[in-house]
Amino acid sequence: EVQLAESGGGLVQPGGSLRLSCTASGFTFSDYYMDWVRQAPGKGLEWVGRGRDKASGHTTEYAASVKGRFTISRDDSRNTLYLQINSLNTEDTAVYFCARRGGRDASGYFYDFDYWGQGTLVTVSS
Amino acid sequence: DIQMTQSPSSLSASVGDTVTITCRASQDINKYLGWFQQKPGKAPKSLIYAASRFFSGVPSKFSGSGSGTDFTLTITGLQPEDFATYYCLQYSAYPYTFGPGTNVDF
Repeated sequence: EVQLAESGGGLVQPGGSLRLSCTASGFTFSDYYMDWVRQAPGKGLEWVGRGRDKASGHTTEYAASVKGRFTISRDDSRNTLYLQINSLNTEDTAVYFCARRGGRDASGYFYDFDYWGQGTLVTVSS
Repeated sequence: DIQMTQSPSSLSASVGDTVTITCRASQDINKYLGWFQQKPGKAPKSLIYAASRFFSGVPSKFSGSGSGTDFTLTITGLQPEDFATYYCLQYSAYPYTFGPGTNVDF
């Protein structure tokens, strides 16, 4: 069974840093692209970024709102995706979800965002 | 960036109703669109990928259609568990972008 579990959230002061983790099980983590999505309290979903698999060089993509402050990395030996968040501000207060891009179906379409974790809450406040 | 709009932003329905939610992209995204259901305090649940294809386990009362810039999600025979917020997501080009959501309630 595919499972994703985020951790590392908490209360942090403005200007601080935090590293979130997403631990995967039930599939060969190293073969899959992974995404981070966040949701501010009472707001909609916002795509944060993507970390590609080893075959794609572990390259990354980011939303403009976080580029330069957020870094996605992964440790395939630990089946874990990371999100390093620096220079936190109150607008970064949100639940952070990780999600998987699944494999291809028979027609060649990827099962994008097929599984999600339960999320971890980051609160930025003094 | 590709902008996604959804309409309506909210709708009131009754059990047994059929409802349709529309999602529009600011430029052609082919069929690279997904639909997600979210209930308060929960993670999103994946319903549809590639505009019209079902994720495993999603009941057939959910159907998606469209390509290019205009897409729809139809829910046939609403049940109490279907009252939630629905989001579309384009994954044709980075940065990926979600629609603002449609709240389906009583």
